[in-house]
Amino acid sequence: DVKVTQSSRYLVKRTGEKVFLECVQDMDHENMFWYRQDPGLGLRLIYFSYDVKMKEKGDIPEGYSVSREKKERFSLILESASTNQTSMYLCASSLGHPSNQPQHFGDGTRLSIL
Amino acid sequence: QKEVEQNSGPLSVPEGAIASLNCTYSDRGSQSFFWYRQYSGKSPELIMSIYSNGDKEDGRFTAQLNKASQYVSLLIRDSQPSDSATYLCAVRGSQGNLIFGKGTKLSVKP
Repeated sequence: DVKVTQSSRYLVKRTGEKVFLECVQDMDHENMFWYRQDPGLGLRLIYFSYDVKMKEKGDIPEGYSVSREKKERFSLILESASTNQTSMYLCASSLGHPSNQPQHFGDGTRLSIL
Repeated sequence: QKEVEQNSGPLSVPEGAIASLNCTYSDRGSQSFFWYRQYSGKSPELIMSIYSNGDKEDGRFTAQLNKASQYVSLLIRDSQPSDSATYLCAVRGSQGNLIFGKGTKLSVKP
């Protein structure tokens, strides 16, 4: 079974802090993704990566950056957290590029910015 | 902007009935389609993938794809209260990412 592990289930931070969300997958997947999910807005893609050191902007990259130094790890960084970044953050991975394979999700991190 | 549309529901069916969930997509060139189930407070989990026109069955679940009409559907036979969840339709985008619908909330009444 694919295992995608997100470092925290719940996280509370303060406005202006730099926040790191970590994601690790154990299936040697090439592709990794970061989404946020908000009521009524569905899943929105923030950033994705097809390979180490590579990153692509998704639909809502503003206020975020990412890092992929190793194939199994994909980090999402909130440069200066704001209250409108309070959300559920979901990491996913998939095999192959270009890929017609499904994405497998981690358990999610519910982030609150106070 | 490529889109995936789903009826938000809630769709309510009695236990034992067939639940029918529908999804339409805008990109005629899409080739890969997925259904995910998401329980409240949990992350999406993959139920079915479908790549060719027609039906694909897996236990109580059947995915149906019609590329000419640009719709994909999910049928759940013998619905159980444990099937109550939000069902997300996803279509592969041109960059390999998935484009998700906003989901249909299904409620199965005992």
